[in-house]
Amino acid sequence: AQSVTQPDIHITVSEGASLELRCNYSYGATPYLFWYVQSPGQGLQLLLKYFSGDTLVQGIKGFEAEFKRSQSSFNLRKPSVHWSDAAEYFCAASSGAGSYQLTFGKGTKLSVIP
Amino acid sequence: EPEVTQTPSHQVTQMGQEVILRCVPISNHLYFYWYRQILGQKVEFLVSFYNNEISEKSEIFDDQFSVERPDGSNFTLKIRSTKLEDSAMYFCASSEVQAKGFGSGTRLTVV
Repeated sequence: AQSVTQPDIHITVSEGASLELRCNYSYGATPYLFWYVQSPGQGLQLLLKYFSGDTLVQGIKGFEAEFKRSQSSFNLRKPSVHWSDAAEYFCAASSGAGSYQLTFGKGTKLSVIP
Repeated sequence: EPEVTQTPSHQVTQMGQEVILRCVPISNHLYFYWYRQILGQKVEFLVSFYNNEISEKSEIFDDQFSVERPDGSNFTLKIRSTKLEDSAMYFCASSEVQAKGFGSGTRLTVV
């Protein structure tokens, strides 16, 4: 079965520190991959996506993610976290090929210490 | 930047009542979706809609649920007879291809 796993439920980092949020997927073929962010009371905002090509993708708000086929991973990174980055982050995948449904991970809640 | 809008932001309904959640997708998008997020759980796909018909649906989307695009701008999710376990945040999304814009959600509370 297709699945997306985010191993970390909650991560706390200090402001200015680097961040890496983990995401692993289990799909028959390389899926389309996404990272979304959800602030409290808000909807899901797309940070970045990977369809094909360059395995390092740049997104909004200074985020980037690297697709690693050998590890079935698509980890989200940011070199220096800001207090406003505190939110919940969701990794998602779609098989493409005519399917438009997204499968989400359970999310990682990020807390930022001033 | 255009965005998906959802109304209401919070709706309380009695068990057994019908409820309609409303969404206005991004205007030039052709694919529409509903997802839900039960408190503390992951976001789950319910249904996708294209060309005035359902293109995919999950096992959650049973006969109690229906979707409609009643006019050129709205996309609705109807729950015919709500159950306590339907309490969740419901997100509407729209897309041209794969990258979807999501609304801010409607929190449905069934009492």
